[in-house]
Amino acid sequence: EAQVTQNPRYLITVTGKKLTVTCSQNMNHEYMSWYRQDPGLGLRQIYYSMNVEVTDKGDVPEGYKVSRKEKRNFPLILESPSPNQTSLYFCASRGGGGAGNQPQHFGDGTRLSIL
Amino acid sequence: SQKIEQNSEALNIQEGKTATLTCNYTNYSPAYLQWYRQDPGRGPVFLLLIRENEKEKRKERLKVTFDTTLKQSLFHITASQPADSATYLCALLSGGSYIPTFGRGTSLIVHP
Repeated sequence: EAQVTQNPRYLITVTGKKLTVTCSQNMNHEYMSWYRQDPGLGLRQIYYSMNVEVTDKGDVPEGYKVSRKEKRNFPLILESPSPNQTSLYFCASRGGGGAGNQPQHFGDGTRLSIL
Repeated sequence: SQKIEQNSEALNIQEGKTATLTCNYTNYSPAYLQWYRQDPGRGPVFLLLIRENEKEKRKERLKVTFDTTLKQSLFHITASQPADSATYLCALLSGGSYIPTFGRGTSLIVHP
């Protein structure tokens, strides 16, 4: 089954404690991205990756890092999490390189609470 | 700045009626417009895509229109069912863009 898998689904942690949210896709997609979704603000893109070893900032990259060492994986790293990063996070992938006419496939989300 | 507006108020309709959701945009020249469905606690699921040179697209009970003059897309669900209750998001992309811009979504509630 084609899917995007995120882990963990839920995480409560404390300020400053480094964490990583993993994302894996089994569709051989080149393009992957991370979003955060906050009430009243909608989905905002954090980082995206066009292919292995190619990443770029989205609209809200501050406080986040990503890496793309393998095509299927695109982890999101919070080196020193702060309470304003409490949010619902989604990983997504799509095929077709940079083509905007390809649908995005989303994971089921990771709810992060940073105390 | 670029802006996408979807009605923030929930749309309540009776089962069997046609639901119409609106996506308006300003300061944007999108080449593609996509509609997604999002259920509580789940990621968005792609429904339909329409290109700037297309006026209308259909898929089963779904219909999307795209008016680049009015800078508006309408999303219709005919013969709506309670199972159609969800939040619907529109997303715009410029040609060659890698960063889609999402609207905040509109909640649809279909009453039996």
